[in-house]
Amino acid sequence: DAEITQSPRHKITETGRQVTLACHQTWNHNNMFWYRQDLGHGLRLIHYSYGVQDTNKGEVSDGYSVSRSNTEDLPLTLESAASSQTSVYFCASSDPRGYEQYFGPGTRLTVT
Amino acid sequence: GNSVTQMEGPVTLSEEAFLTINCTYTATGYPSLFWYVQYPGEGLQLLLKATKADDKGSNKGFEATYRKETTSFHLEKGSVQVSDSAVYFCALSGTESSYKLIFGSGTRLLVRP
Repeated sequence: DAEITQSPRHKITETGRQVTLACHQTWNHNNMFWYRQDLGHGLRLIHYSYGVQDTNKGEVSDGYSVSRSNTEDLPLTLESAASSQTSVYFCASSDPRGYEQYFGPGTRLTVT
Repeated sequence: GNSVTQMEGPVTLSEEAFLTINCTYTATGYPSLFWYVQYPGEGLQLLLKATKADDKGSNKGFEATYRKETTSFHLEKGSVQVSDSAVYFCALSGTESSYKLIFGSGTRLLVRP
């Protein structure tokens, strides 16, 4: 069965370190998205991609970057982790024909 | 721009009670509408969807009808179970040129035995 996976599931890092969160989907979807989820803020879009070599900023992109070198993967990099980036991060993908997004299980990131 | 407003939670119900979670939206054009559910410690799962006015989405006993005249997509279930305890998100698709979804803030449902 097709799926979307994220790794690691839990990560603790120190302020100032670079961190990369992986997202891999086997749906063969063109569209991929990264969100963060925080209490009181719901889901906020960080970055998204509509295909290989395409990346776009979402509403809370500062301090984050993505790259898309193939259809299956969209890694999210925190250039210099800050305590404000402690959150749960979700990756999602979608097929342009249906709009509905399929979510990964999430990565809980703690920046100390 | 497009937006979604959900009722504040938490909503606390006894098992077998009737559930309504309100969702209203503001949108240009003809968006698709979705309800997602998030169980504790998991990612969001698509619960149901509707793609045009008067469509009814349904799944696992949950229903929602796309009401263009009232710009609403309220989630209902006739008899909730403890296992329905979760956070529910209403969402709508973006403009014709965007594949982004716009999410409401989520409503936590707690069902007591």
